[in-house]
Amino acid sequence: DTGVSQDPRHKITKRGQNVTFRCDPISEHNRLYWYRQTLGQGPEFLTYFQNEAQLEKSRLLSDRFSAERPKGSFSTLEIQRTEQGDSAMYLCASSSYGNTEAFFGQGTRLTVV
Amino acid sequence: AQTVTQSQPEMSVQEAETVTLSCTYDTSESDYYLFWYKQPPSRQMILVIRQEAYKQQNATENRFSVNFQKAAKSFSLKISDSQLGDAAMYFCAYRSARNYGGSQGNLIFGKGTKLSVKP
Repeated sequence: DTGVSQDPRHKITKRGQNVTFRCDPISEHNRLYWYRQTLGQGPEFLTYFQNEAQLEKSRLLSDRFSAERPKGSFSTLEIQRTEQGDSAMYLCASSSYGNTEAFFGQGTRLTVV
Repeated sequence: AQTVTQSQPEMSVQEAETVTLSCTYDTSESDYYLFWYKQPPSRQMILVIRQEAYKQQNATENRFSVNFQKAAKSFSLKISDSQLGDAAMYFCAYRSARNYGGSQGNLIFGKGTKLSVKP
């Protein structure tokens, strides 16, 4: 399967701990997006990469959140000092420049206890 | 800022019947894209259908079609001959056509409509 993959699928962590999620986009896609989806809501945009450059960050992305995409391949999203409000599904999507369709991964469900 | 509104939290349809999901949006841009995405339980979101704002013709993909009313900023999805596999959350989404500055391709989603299909 050559779709977008995310790891882990589920993560339970204690409040105050740091967590890191990984996203592997479709190999030829140069655009990568992170979204957060809480229960009963649609996904909300967090940040966007074109190749290795992080070009946009939402105001939702507090200073506890950081994302990287070294070498323009996979991406990581780290949340430091997790809070219960961080509990959500974190979705990754990728697309190629000039193509309007974004392909989504299955997401990482984070539960902060 | 652009917004997307889905006013139907839940809808139900009998198998083989037709159902229409509503979506309205707000934008000051003239060039953009609209999408319907399907999110089955515990599975990834997949694109159902896409509409370019500059096209007057409504998009169609097999049993799925849209009614795009640009002046009214309305974008509804019609599912014909509903199947059990159509049961899912459906999200309406907006994307700017700009390829410069910010908002380069990120999607703005509505809250979704949960579709149930009765056998």
